[in-house]
Amino acid sequence: RKEVEQDPGPFNVPEGATVAFNCTYSNSASQSFFWYRQDCRKEPKLLMSVYSSGNEDGRFTAQLNRASQYISLLIRDSKLSDSATYLCVVGNAGNMLTFGGGTRLMVKP
Amino acid sequence: DAGITQSPRHKVTETGTPVTLRCHQTENHRYMYWYRQDPGHGLRLIHYSYGVKDTDKGEVSDGYSVSRSKTEDFLLTLESATSSQTSVYFCAISERGARNEQFFGPGTRLTVL
Repeated sequence: RKEVEQDPGPFNVPEGATVAFNCTYSNSASQSFFWYRQDCRKEPKLLMSVYSSGNEDGRFTAQLNRASQYISLLIRDSKLSDSATYLCVVGNAGNMLTFGGGTRLMVKP
Repeated sequence: DAGITQSPRHKVTETGTPVTLRCHQTENHRYMYWYRQDPGHGLRLIHYSYGVKDTDKGEVSDGYSVSRSKTEDFLLTLESATSSQTSVYFCAISERGARNEQFFGPGTRLTVL
């Protein structure tokens, strides 16, 4: 079983739609959680950190469920520019982060 | 954007030749990482550094070595490149290891013929 698992997609949604991605992680001792965005042939870029209480940044909302070991990302009012691959990332007790394989989102006009 | 550069950005080389990739940061972050990204595998950690001259292996370290003689530079060396090392290589930096986010360089696209 992979340490961080994501549905690879693609998720095809129309502009203006709300879309949600989930990610599960296997290490119950995980301590830090992030969502990154990666455009085709570009480097991953931090979208947001995920806090235990949940957090929101504009149209993006991230939630953490430690009991069930999953993280979610909700995107409201999708834009064409949201089309990208979204990476779920988990940090453990050491110095390393573990990356999920990514979920591809395609927003259509 | 975090001040991270990678060089070269693209390289084509032949099997058996040595290759060195460079990562340079201007953020004075303690931690630096080398990843490779391949279709179907996502980002995989090769090596990382937690200080000058302090390095450790990641998930896919075989065939790679690293060096860090200055805070700002982290070098990745393929002693004898193989076709299986054809990949996109990303460098990343972090202030506090896994306790906070990493910032990535633009990547190096390496092709080994």
